[in-house]
Amino acid sequence: DVKVTQSSRYLVKRTGEKVFLECVQDMDHENMFWYRQDPGLGLRLIYFSYDVKMKEKGDIPEGYSVSREKKERFSLILESASTNQTSMYLCASETARGDEQYFGPGTRLTVT
Amino acid sequence: SQQGEEDPQALSIQEGENATMNCSYKTSINNLQWYRQNSGRGLVHLILIRSNEREKHSGRLRVTLDTSKKSSSLLITASRAADTASYFCATVSGTYKYIFGTGTRLKVLA
Repeated sequence: DVKVTQSSRYLVKRTGEKVFLECVQDMDHENMFWYRQDPGLGLRLIYFSYDVKMKEKGDIPEGYSVSREKKERFSLILESASTNQTSMYLCASETARGDEQYFGPGTRLTVT
Repeated sequence: SQQGEEDPQALSIQEGENATMNCSYKTSINNLQWYRQNSGRGLVHLILIRSNEREKHSGRLRVTLDTSKKSSSLLITASRAADTASYFCATVSGTYKYIFGTGTRLKVLA
């Protein structure tokens, strides 16, 4: 079974803190994605990566950065957390063929 | 911007009934996928239909695609309480371009 794991299920941070969300997949997938999910807005793509050290901006990259130093790991960084970044963050991976995304369980981040 | 729009936003049915949810989109696509999300969890892939296909089946799931109307429907037959979840369509166009809809919340009453 493909497994995508995320470092935390729940996280509470203060405004201005630097926040790291980690995602690891064990299926040697080329593509990895970070989404945020908010009620009524569905999933919105923040960043994706199609190879090690490669990244592309999604629809809402402002306030976020990413890092992919190893194929299995894709990190999302909130440089200076703000209350409007309170959300559910979902990581996903897929093969280069791109027929199906495999999601992690999500990290519910609260910024106070 | 959100391309996929699911309809209805919420649906409540009795166990054993069929559930139908619809997805509309705006641009041309390579394929359309449906995902399920149980409360507070990640999404799980259900089924994919390519732009040159009109209908696809997988177990109790039936998906149709009408590219002329830019719409798709997901039918779950003989629903069970365990089908209670949110269902999302995702359109895929170009490379890496997934756009998820806002979802339909399905509640199946035992």
